[in-house]
Amino acid sequence: DGGITQSPKYLFRKEGQNVTLSCEQNLNHDAMYWYRQDPGQGLRLIYYSQIVNDFQKGDIAEGYSVSREKKESFPLTVTSAQKNPTAFYLCASSVDNYGYTFGSGTRLTVV
Amino acid sequence: SQELEQSPQSLIVQEGKNLTINCTSSKTLYGLYWYKQKYGEGLIFLMMLQKGGEEKSHEKITAKLDEKKQQSSLHITASQPSHAGIYLCGAGHKAAGNKLTFGGGTRVLVKP
Repeated sequence: DGGITQSPKYLFRKEGQNVTLSCEQNLNHDAMYWYRQDPGQGLRLIYYSQIVNDFQKGDIAEGYSVSREKKESFPLTVTSAQKNPTAFYLCASSVDNYGYTFGSGTRLTVV
Repeated sequence: SQELEQSPQSLIVQEGKNLTINCTSSKTLYGLYWYKQKYGEGLIFLMMLQKGGEEKSHEKITAKLDEKKQQSSLHITASQPSHAGIYLCGAGHKAAGNKLTFGGGTRVLVKP
């Protein structure tokens, strides 16, 4: 079945460490997105990519980086510059205007 | 960027009762999406509305978009425990790579 796979489901990061969240899709979607969700809040856009080798900053890109070397993959790196990284991270993909397909999320905690 | 306000932020309903969630935009909506989220999980697509006055239904859930395309409502009839979760509305941007902006979500609890 086609879908989006995020890994890991849970991730713990030490202070000053960079971590990378994986997002893979086999839906043949051109566009992919990363959102952050804090407790009791909606989703905020971090980065998005409409095509391979191209991506744009969203509303809260500071402290994050992405790459889009393959159509299927859109990994997100949370760098040490992100001072408050504890959150739930959601990856999504879309084609045309038919809405998004979401992954099951990665919960990142700073320890 | 487009801002979406959802109301209420949370609600508790008795099983079998109806409930309504509202989503209001400061700008004209070019595609309004409703999603449901279970805690700690991804979002499940419910419905998409594009035309003013449009109404769609799936099982016991009905979504409407007003004529001015600035407000949408999600109505659940005869709620069941399976309807519990977080409901989010998302709006597309007319010319921005199909980005979606989301409202803050409405947390629904159904009491048996």
